[in-house]
Parts: sequence; C-alpha cells; structure tokens
Amino acid sequence: EIVMTQSPATLSVSPGETATLSCRASQTIWRSVAWYQQKPGQTPRLLIYDASTRATGIPARFSGSGFGTEFTLTISSLQSDDFAIYYCQHYKDWPSYTFGQGTKVEIK
Amino acid sequence: EVRLVETGGGLIQPGESLRLSCIVSGFSVNSYNMTWVRQAPGKGLERVSLFYNGAKTHNADSAKGRFIISWDDSKNTLYLQLSALRVEDTAVYFCARGRPPPGPGAFDVWGQGTMVTVSS
Repeated sequence: EIVMTQSPATLSVSPGETATLSCRASQTIWRSVAWYQQKPGQTPRLLIYDASTRATGIPARFSGSGFGTEFTLTISSLQSDDFAIYYCQHYKDWPSYTFGQGTKVEIK
Repeated sequence: EVRLVETGGGLIQPGESLRLSCIVSGFSVNSYNMTWVRQAPGKGLERVSLFYNGAKTHNADSAKGRFIISWDDSKNTLYLQLSALRVEDTAVYFCARGRPPPGPGAFDVWGQGTMVTVSS
C-alpha cells in the first residue's frame, strides 16, 4: 500500500504570510493527489485534485504542485479562516487510496 | 442541492453490529463513486470502504470480513453494515462522493458524519 507522509506535523504561521505544506508518496503516484482542509468539528473540504487543480469555489491563494512522489500545498496570504488541518490523499492505486496523517496550520 | 446525511451512529458494545446510512440528495447514488471514511477522536482520516463503477466494492484491510458497503437505488441511500465491532472502531464515520466524472479521484462532497462509539 502506498504511504503518504506529510510534513511538518505542525506549521506555525503568522496571518498574511505563506504556508508551505509537503506530502511525500512512498512510490510514484504521477499526479494522483488531492488536498483537503478540515477545521475542528467540521467535515473535510476538497481544495485541490490532480495535484494542482483547484476545486470549485476554492480561492486562488490555495495552490498545489508536484509530480511523482513529492507534492506541495501552498497557502499564500494566510487568513484567519485558513488555520486548520490539511490532509493529502492519493488515488493512484484505485480502488485503493490513502490519506496522509495531516499537517496542522496554527497561528504563530 | 447536493447533500449527504449520515445516520445510525451510537453507543454499542464490542462484538455487536450497527448499520450506518448515508442519505443522498441532489444526485443518484449509483452514478458516482461513494466512500466511507472514518476519523477516530483526535486522529486523521482513514479509508473504510468504497462503492465504485456503479456496482463494485472495495474494503480497507481494517474492514475486510467485518464491514459491508451497499446501496439502495430506490431510497438513494448508501449503507455501511458494521459487524464484530471493536473498541478501535470508535470514530466519526463520514460518507463522501467521488468527484465527477465517476473515476479514480478525490471526494468533493462530504456528509457531516455520524459518531460510532464502541465501549463496554
């Protein structure tokens, strides 16, 4: 099973700054990765799919990049609403898929 | 409006069974890939079971032999039958829809989840 490893576990960022989150796959997954945001007590929200395509209604300050085994979610000009936990998910081995363990973005 | 509503969670003893429902509105459950994902208290997201390609199912190893995903077209509802429940199955169970067009990919619509607590 492909393992998705996210880093760092916690990222402290000041409002207005840029957050860079990483996700590494244990083997190549081409561009088969998605990113989700989850706030406490809320349901996950799809941000990015196919590594770099923003989902419907997602602001342009969220961007995804990467290919193969290394992927990045960049959140520019962080707003108070962006402090949350972010998960990556691969779907290379469909119908199997897995999530990373999450990165918490907290206010510095 | 596209919406998913999970029901059926509760407090249950180890070894017992429970059926979760995901009531779908705004689209046909058999026209999309649908999945169950769980989240233990304070933990991350974990794949449980998948309904895909209109009729196929796939379980995570933790669910094989114990959990069964099914659907009812007439009720436009997705189900997850949980059996031989263990304390470590305690989690919020979410249902989610695969992003259109149906195919391998991400999940774009999620329900609010239903809590399953397994405890004696």
